[in-house]
Amino acid sequence: NAGVMQNPRHLVRRRGQEARLRCSPMKGHSHVYWYRQLPEEGLKFMVYLQKENIIDESGMPKERFSAEFPKEGPSILRIQQVVRGDSAAYFCASSHDRGQETQYFGPGTRLLVL
Amino acid sequence: EDKVVQSPLSLVVHEGDTVTLNCSYEVTNFRSLLWYKQEKKAPTFLFMLTSSGIEKKSGRLSSILDKKELFSILNITATQTGDSAVYLCAVEGPCTGNQFYFGTGTSLTVIP
Repeated sequence: NAGVMQNPRHLVRRRGQEARLRCSPMKGHSHVYWYRQLPEEGLKFMVYLQKENIIDESGMPKERFSAEFPKEGPSILRIQQVVRGDSAAYFCASSHDRGQETQYFGPGTRLLVL
Repeated sequence: EDKVVQSPLSLVVHEGDTVTLNCSYEVTNFRSLLWYKQEKKAPTFLFMLTSSGIEKKSGRLSSILDKKELFSILNITATQTGDSAVYLCAVEGPCTGNQFYFGTGTSLTVIP
C-alpha cells in the first residue's frame, strides 16, 4: 500500500511562472491537507479538501494560490505568478476521515523560486 | 527503504502522569529529526534535533536523539489535558535532497 505521493520532489521556477504541485493520497483516503513549511518555521496549514470540495481554505493566501481535488486524479496546489517568498517546502497529508483521524504525510515538494 | 516508526500508536494517561513517546528511523544520510504536536490544524513545531545525546527542553517537554541506535524520545512530564494531541516525528534526509519522512504519529489522550 503506497503512502502519500507527491511530485515533483523539487521544483525550480522563475519569478512570474506557475508552479503546480501534485499530491496523490493514500489508497482509500478522501481527505487531503496542504501545508507550507518555511525555513526555520513549523508547518502552516493552507487548505483542506475532500473529493471535489474545498472544506477549509483559511490558511491559503487570497491571491495566486488555488487548490483542487478532482473526482479522478491527484490533488493539485497551484501557485500562479510565483515570487521568491513562495520558496518553501509544501507538504500534503491525507486521511481516511476527518477530525481525529491520523494524517499521513507525503515527502514534500521543495519549491525554489529564482 | 527509508522509514520512520513511532510507538506507541496511541496512549491514554491520567493527568500528572509522565509519558515517553518513541521514534525510530531508518533514513539514509540523516540530517535532522523534528517533533511536532498536532491538535486541530497544522502541526506545531516542538523540537529539532541534530546532535546525539543533547537533550532539548521546553517546559514540561524534553527530547533527545540517539544517532547510534537511530531513535529519539519525547518526554512529557506532569501531563495536562491540553497535552492531548497527535505527536508527529519527522526525519529529514540528505542535505541535497531535503526529503522529509513522517511517522504516523502517536495519539496521546490525557484524562482528568
